[in-house]
Amino acid sequence: DQQVKQNSPSLSVQEGRISILNCDYTNSMFDYFLWYKKYPAEGPTFLISISSIKDKNEDGRFTVFLNKSAKHLSLHIVPSQPGDSAVYFCAASDKAAGNKLTFGGGTRVLVKP
Amino acid sequence: DTAVSQTPKYLVTQMGNDKSIKCEQNLGHDTMYWYKQDSKKFLKIMFSYNNKELIINETVPNRFSPKSPDKAHLNLHINSLELGDSAVYFCASSQVYPINYGYTFGSGTRLTVV
Repeated sequence: DQQVKQNSPSLSVQEGRISILNCDYTNSMFDYFLWYKKYPAEGPTFLISISSIKDKNEDGRFTVFLNKSAKHLSLHIVPSQPGDSAVYFCAASDKAAGNKLTFGGGTRVLVKP
Repeated sequence: DTAVSQTPKYLVTQMGNDKSIKCEQNLGHDTMYWYKQDSKKFLKIMFSYNNKELIINETVPNRFSPKSPDKAHLNLHINSLELGDSAVYFCASSQVYPINYGYTFGSGTRLTVV
């Protein structure tokens, strides 16, 4: 039973445009949501997070939006750059479960020059 | 200076063998994890240790045994390797709480069982 889902396996966007990645979850006990970026043959690297008590967090070109009633979050990357081409994972943390991070299946982003 | 380092990066071995993957972190984190990325690219937690104590043990075959000699090290030993164990294994570490900075992952160990 997948508690965190990324329904779009891939996304292609032109350089300079906005990339929007989506993520849905089912467990209302999740208290933090995180986005990770992964290049081939490397480990995932942390991008940005948001607490369940907030609805928006921004860090440079990256903004994460959380809609708790819809159990949905999204990552906006503006403007997209070729170096952003990677696989992006959404993850959710449950403090009561020892801060276990549950990951979505990932979305592969290709930014075209 | 690598924050979370795993060795080896690649491991090819025959069915039935026993192998170990080592992990070390120099971030001063109290919690360390093992994750498995399967052929469908899903990242799933296997184990979590907090200051040498096992706190998460997901449904993992008994052939997998984590060992934490100190809070900076978490090794993974696998007995009687099977074809289905082929995957990429990631070690990670984090502060206990808050988790807002997430985990720091190692670069992964690609295990191929032939």
